[in-house]
Amino acid sequence: DIQMTQSPSTLSASVGDRVTITCRASQNIDIWLAWYQQKPGKAPKPLIYRASSLQSGVSSRFSGSGSGTEFTLTISSLQPDDFATYYCQQYKSYSMFGQGTKVEIK
Amino acid sequence: EVQLVESGGGLVQPGGSLRLSCAASGFIFSDHYMNWVRQAPGKGLEWVSRITIKVQSYTTEYAASVKGRFTISRDDSKNSVSLQMNSLKTEDTAVYYCAREGSAIDVWGQGTMVTVAS
Repeated sequence: DIQMTQSPSTLSASVGDRVTITCRASQNIDIWLAWYQQKPGKAPKPLIYRASSLQSGVSSRFSGSGSGTEFTLTISSLQPDDFATYYCQQYKSYSMFGQGTKVEIK
Repeated sequence: EVQLVESGGGLVQPGGSLRLSCAASGFIFSDHYMNWVRQAPGKGLEWVSRITIKVQSYTTEYAASVKGRFTISRDDSKNSVSLQMNSLKTEDTAVYYCAREGSAIDVWGQGTMVTVAS
């Protein structure tokens, strides 16, 4: 199984900050990597697919990069609505989510 | 409007069975892989199962934690996907989401809660 490791587990930041979350795969997944945002009690919201493509309707302050085993999600200028938990997911072989990164208010 | 609506959740005893259903609307259901993803209380997302489309022989895949106990199926004539869950364990307690795969998972249902307890 391909394992996914996100870091950090928790991130404290302020509105306007540039935020970066890292996701590492235990083996090569090319660009078969997606990112999701989830708020308490809600279904996840798709953000990024194929490592760097923005889902329809998602703000351009979100961006993704990487290939192979190392990937990043960047929020260029954190907004109040962005405080949430973020998950990466590989879908090259079966599927697996990272453990999540909670972005909280500093 | 693209929509997925899950049903069938509830309370079941350990060792019991439950069948979840997901009704899809607003898109060509038969063109899309479908997934089930779950989230235990206070925990992260866990992928459970996926079913492909007719031209790929409705191939199914399962997480190791549910393989041999859960069965995913779909009925393209009814725009629905199901998850038959047998031999349920307390650790299967979670919100179960139905999810469409297009550009990765691009549509999620609202989820249905499954509680396995005596």
